[in-house]
Amino acid sequence: DVKVTQSSRYLVKRTGEKVFLECVQDMDHENMFWYRQDPGLGLRLIYFSYDVKMKEKGDIPEGYSVSREKKERFSLILESASTNQTSMYLCASSSRQDTLLYGYTFGSGTRLTVV
Amino acid sequence: AQSVTQPDIHITVSEGASLELRCNYSYGATPYLFWYVQSPGQGLQLLLKYFSGDTLVQGIKGFEAEFKRSQSSFNLRKPSVHWSDAAEYFCAVEDTNAGKSTFGDGTTLTVKP
Repeated sequence: DVKVTQSSRYLVKRTGEKVFLECVQDMDHENMFWYRQDPGLGLRLIYFSYDVKMKEKGDIPEGYSVSREKKERFSLILESASTNQTSMYLCASSSRQDTLLYGYTFGSGTRLTVV
Repeated sequence: AQSVTQPDIHITVSEGASLELRCNYSYGATPYLFWYVQSPGQGLQLLLKYFSGDTLVQGIKGFEAEFKRSQSSFNLRKPSVHWSDAAEYFCAVEDTNAGKSTFGDGTTLTVKP
């Protein structure tokens, strides 16, 4: 089975800290995505990537950046964490050829609290 | 731009009763549609998808969905709900040009004993 692993289930960080959320997938997927999930707002796309060193802004990129130095790893960076970035963060991956067959594979999420 | 609307934020059904979760989409071309389920504390899991052919599609866990182009809908159904179906359900449409999916806001399903 495809696995998407997010390094932390829960994180508590202080306002102003630089925060790294890590995501690793083990099925050689080209596409990787970062979403945040908030009650009543569904999933909102932050950034996505089609390939190594490539990135595209999603719907809510402000306050975030990403890094994809290796195909299997996609990192989300909060340069200076703020309390309004308290949320559940979900990473997902998909195969460029087979997205329509298999959809996205999601990690279990990282619940980030910024205090 | 594409969009997905799930009109029901929360639905409660009794165990053994039938279920229908609504999804309406807006997309200019042929839509590629998905339903995902999220159990508490977990990521999303694909239930089923539609991208061509038969408009009634079968998925895992006994779920099915019907694509109706005239109504821009892709409603999820199950004939008899089990307590383990309690979860949050998301409808999504894939924008093949942009290479990304847009998700609805989700519907939370509660199952009464």
